Amino acid sequence: DAKTTQPPSMDCAEGRAANLPCNHSTISGNEYVYWYRQIHSQGPQYIIHGLKNNETNEMASLIITEDRKSSTLILPHATLRDTAVYYCIVRVNTNAGKSTFGDGTTLTVKP
Amino acid sequence: GAVVSQHPSRVICKSGTSVKIECRSLDFQATTMFWYRQFPKQSLMLMATSNEGSKATYEQGVEKDKFLINHASLTLSTLTVTSAHPEDSSFYICSARHPVGLAGGSSYNEQFFGPGTRLTVL
Repeated sequence: DAKTTQPPSMDCAEGRAANLPCNHSTISGNEYVYWYRQIHSQGPQYIIHGLKNNETNEMASLIITEDRKSSTLILPHATLRDTAVYYCIVRVNTNAGKSTFGDGTTLTVKP
Repeated sequence: GAVVSQHPSRVICKSGTSVKIECRSLDFQATTMFWYRQFPKQSLMLMATSNEGSKATYEQGVEKDKFLINHASLTLSTLTVTSAHPEDSSFYICSARHPVGLAGGSSYNEQFFGPGTRLTVL
């Protein structure tokens, strides 16, 4: 599975959009981009995933560059409860795929 | 989304004892489950892949005789930490792969994580 690089930490003002970047320059053609987040002392929570098209769900939007070497997770209106560690993972979407976690980005939403 | 549970949520044991942690997929059948370990202020580290009806596949550096994994049914995998020592104290998290995903259509193979088990070995 390809490696990902994320900034170690980011701050965001409550109510503003949080944009979390992820670099995955060695991504393969059959690898998907997945985002999870982990609130302190809990298991990771699935947020969103995509292959090459931008995706949106009730939690977030995922923007993937045309060359697929990077992506951005967007939380449109961050709340204090969005404070967590956000992990970007790339893996194949088959039975062989397994999620390998990097260090993630610690997002702190401030009032 | 799909629900994965773990039991117990927290366990304290004496050094030298064995501890069993259960991971259950509550509303779907999971042929594959994964076990992770997380030390304070660190990321999740994959320990092993648990396959229903067959032996688990361990990541490099993980002792298979110390961390026994059994995946006897499509909804239950267990991790037994044998002869636990203080350095085994950690947050253990399981995840289960949903076979067809939640969005329908193509197979997404989404992974859903349990709430974790905090193990403290005295």
